This record gives sequence, C-alpha cells and structure tokens, in this order.
Amino acid sequence: DAGVIQSPRHEVTEMGQEVTLRCKPISGHDYLFWYRQTMMRGLELLIYFNNNVPIDDSGMPEDRFSAKMPNASFSTLKIQPSEPRDSAVYFCASSPIRITEAFFGQGTRLTVV
Amino acid sequence: AQSVTQLDSQVPVFEEAPVELRCNYSSSVSVYLFWYVQYPNQGLQLLLKYLSGSTLVKGINGFEAEFNKSQTSFHLRKPSVHISDTAEYFCAVSDPHSSSASKIIFGSGTRLSIRP
Repeated sequence: DAGVIQSPRHEVTEMGQEVTLRCKPISGHDYLFWYRQTMMRGLELLIYFNNNVPIDDSGMPEDRFSAKMPNASFSTLKIQPSEPRDSAVYFCASSPIRITEAFFGQGTRLTVV
Repeated sequence: AQSVTQLDSQVPVFEEAPVELRCNYSSSVSVYLFWYVQYPNQGLQLLLKYLSGSTLVKGINGFEAEFNKSQTSFHLRKPSVHISDTAEYFCAVSDPHSSSASKIIFGSGTRLSIRP
C-alpha cells in the first residue's frame, strides 16, 4: 500500500481565496483524521470521520473550514475564504477499525499571503 | 477529555549519551499510548505503542517506553542516541472505551537535538 496520500504538498494562495486540501487514506481503514500543525499551537485535531461520517468536528476553528468524505477513499478539507493565520501544515491520517495506530500522510504546507 | 503533557519542549543531548523524554497523560480507566517521531519536513511516524500487557514497550530505532499507571506516565528512553535521532517527538493518547469516540490526542512535542 502507498500509505496515506495528500495533495498538494505545498500550496501558496492569496488571502480570500478558496483552498482545498485532499487526502486518500489507506485502503480498508475506517477512520480518517485531519490535523493542523503550527509552531504556536502544535498538532491540533480538526475533525475525524468514521466510515465516511463526521464524528467530531469540535476542533474546526470556524465556519470558514469544512471537511467532507464522499467515499471511503477520498476526503477534502476546504478553507473559504483563506486568511494568513490559516498558514500551517495540514496532516491527514487514517486508522483501522480499532485505533491502535494512526498512519500519517506527508502533509500539505499551506501559506496564505 | 484525554490530554497529554510533554514536560520538555527541547532536550539537547550529546551523541552516544542516554536520553529520556517525558510524557504524562490525564488519568482514565484505560488508555492507549503512543510515541511518534517527526523528521524535518515529514509526516509523523510511529515509534512504539502501548495497548495492553507488558508495561515496557520496545519500538523502532532502539527506543523504548515504560507505561506507569500509578504515575500516569509514558516516558520514552534510549540508552545511546545518534545524530540521526535529531527530530521532534510526540506523545499521544487515546481512550479505546470512550463513548465520545476514539480519537488520538497529541502532546505539544519535544525537540530532541543531538550534539556531536
């Protein structure tokens, strides 16, 4: 298996633009997590899904952020409109039915100017 | 809610010296505990995990950790570090029996720097 695949690896956008981050989890995994990593706040859990259903989105910072999982092999995290304070590395991770380990993607480094 | 505290934000160590990275978690009936490593510009990689059984857990790259329920700790150790161990290390916890669901919560990280 290729592991968790995230795209793009780097994204630079202007303030106010819409940004969409993509994630392909490991085949057969039931859980998908979106994390955000910044120097100030460390690694924060934004939202996670179980069998494509959002379970806990309490970490989503505000309404500008939304996440979807239309099927078991694809998820998106969208920011609209983007702001400079959204600049961070966004990680996607997946886990099998019992969360005995989370497998991380390489991350997307987002810069909003 | 579960939480994790990593007591040291940075740990400088000389090469071939031993190291301990400290981690404490909020008490719960049962927990799964993890240590992850993040090399520069990369994602997180699992070093080791405690799910049940023996309290001494061995991981990759010569690391080990000990689960101490009475002290709610899960400290990471290595008897002799190498330059290649320079990275950020994250302790994490999940509660497998939580009704609020099984999410993994990470600590703030410890940056391990190895000096030659």
